[in-house]
Amino acid sequence: DAGITQSPRHKVTETGTPVTLRCHQTENHRYMYWYRQDPGHGLRLIHYSYGVKDTDKGEVSDGYSVSRSKTEDFLLTLESATSSQTSVYFCAISTTGTLDNEKLFFGSGTQLSVL
Amino acid sequence: RKEVEQDPGPFNVPEGATVAFNCTYSNSASQSFFWYRQDCRKEPKLLMSVYSSGNEDGRFTAQLNRASQYISLLIRDSKLSDSATYLCAVNKHAGNMLTFGGGTRLMVKP
Repeated sequence: DAGITQSPRHKVTETGTPVTLRCHQTENHRYMYWYRQDPGHGLRLIHYSYGVKDTDKGEVSDGYSVSRSKTEDFLLTLESATSSQTSVYFCAISTTGTLDNEKLFFGSGTQLSVL
Repeated sequence: RKEVEQDPGPFNVPEGATVAFNCTYSNSASQSFFWYRQDCRKEPKLLMSVYSSGNEDGRFTAQLNRASQYISLLIRDSKLSDSATYLCAVNKHAGNMLTFGGGTRLMVKP
């Protein structure tokens, strides 16, 4: 257990509304990531962070923004949710302290449904 | 062509069988390779890293074939508890993010 907590675990929202997902870690790891997982696409990286206020885009960042104001919290925001953003969202941390993602640990996931 | 590809399966095998999955990757500069296991409706969990020389962990053996650009996972003496989806993960080059395959589903039957 790498001490990662995602909230909420489930969320149903309407198209056009803003949504924020939270990832909280207790072990002070530098690198944090947000992935989405969809059938036929596997896990795809949305954004990642390499320190407080240091973030960068991943493969599928359009429509998403992130913030990291504290080491322990990494927030993912959908500014105006669309049905295509219905997915399972996983937060992850890397315990190696490098960008090579070795020993990536995932949170339990957030099932988001946009109606 | 996808950067990392896996046969989605499902692979249906009886208990005790040996089963192998392959995962192909497109970037010859890739340096890091991993296998993750994901149970239904759960998060992926690191199963094992894949080293150039191959590595073994109990009933699991991972191998890398750089010439043909694929990694493999061999499971011997399959158990019911091995039923899961197995994801491979590859980075594009050193210091880069991981790209995951779509996963291969394994179902071990009594």
